[in-house]
Amino acid sequence: AQSVTQLGSHVSVSEGALVLLRCNYSSSVPPYLFWYVQYPNQGLQLLLKYTTGATLVKGINGFEAEFKKSETSFHLTKPSAHMSDAAEYFCAVSENTGGFKTIFGAGTRLFVKA
Amino acid sequence: SQTIHQWPATLVQPVGSPLSLECTVEGTSNPNLYWYRQAAGRGLQLLFYSVGIGQISSEVPQNLSASRPQDRQFILSSKKLLLSDSGFYLCAWSVPRLANYGYTFGSGTRLTVV
Repeated sequence: AQSVTQLGSHVSVSEGALVLLRCNYSSSVPPYLFWYVQYPNQGLQLLLKYTTGATLVKGINGFEAEFKKSETSFHLTKPSAHMSDAAEYFCAVSENTGGFKTIFGAGTRLFVKA
Repeated sequence: SQTIHQWPATLVQPVGSPLSLECTVEGTSNPNLYWYRQAAGRGLQLLFYSVGIGQISSEVPQNLSASRPQDRQFILSSKKLLLSDSGFYLCAWSVPRLANYGYTFGSGTRLTVV
């Protein structure tokens, strides 16, 4: 069965500092992995996804994530935080079995300090 | 291009009153459709999903029901709201049998039961 664990329900960084949001997954087959961002009172927006091929994927707003199979991780990073990055971030996994459900992590709220 | 509409954006309802939230998708056919709920400070809880007209699967026993009367219309209902039904409700769609596609979310409905 699939599962997703996001380490840290809250992360606080200073503006200009590195952003690192951690995600570990469990999947019995090669997974598809996603990061979504949610701004207050809005729906979730897809940031980036890993399907196959290059393990370092780039997304919108300068974010990127690296799929590490040996560590079952898909951490999200951004070299320099901006105030506008303050939001909640969700990691998600779906399996390459034609299934129609995606499992979401509990979310990590990112705070950016001036 | 595909779009997803969800309304209303906010709703305040008394305990015991009925509920109807509507979600429609444009620009695609036979989408998979989902209803999620976010309670305050908590992650995403999958309530219902549908792979076709009249086909509804419930993930969590509760005071809510869902229907899909048309291919691109998904409705969340309740006959009598409870205080515990308060939360942020999100509709989403995905491409059938493409687990790598990701979800597209609506903008959400903030429901407060008083």
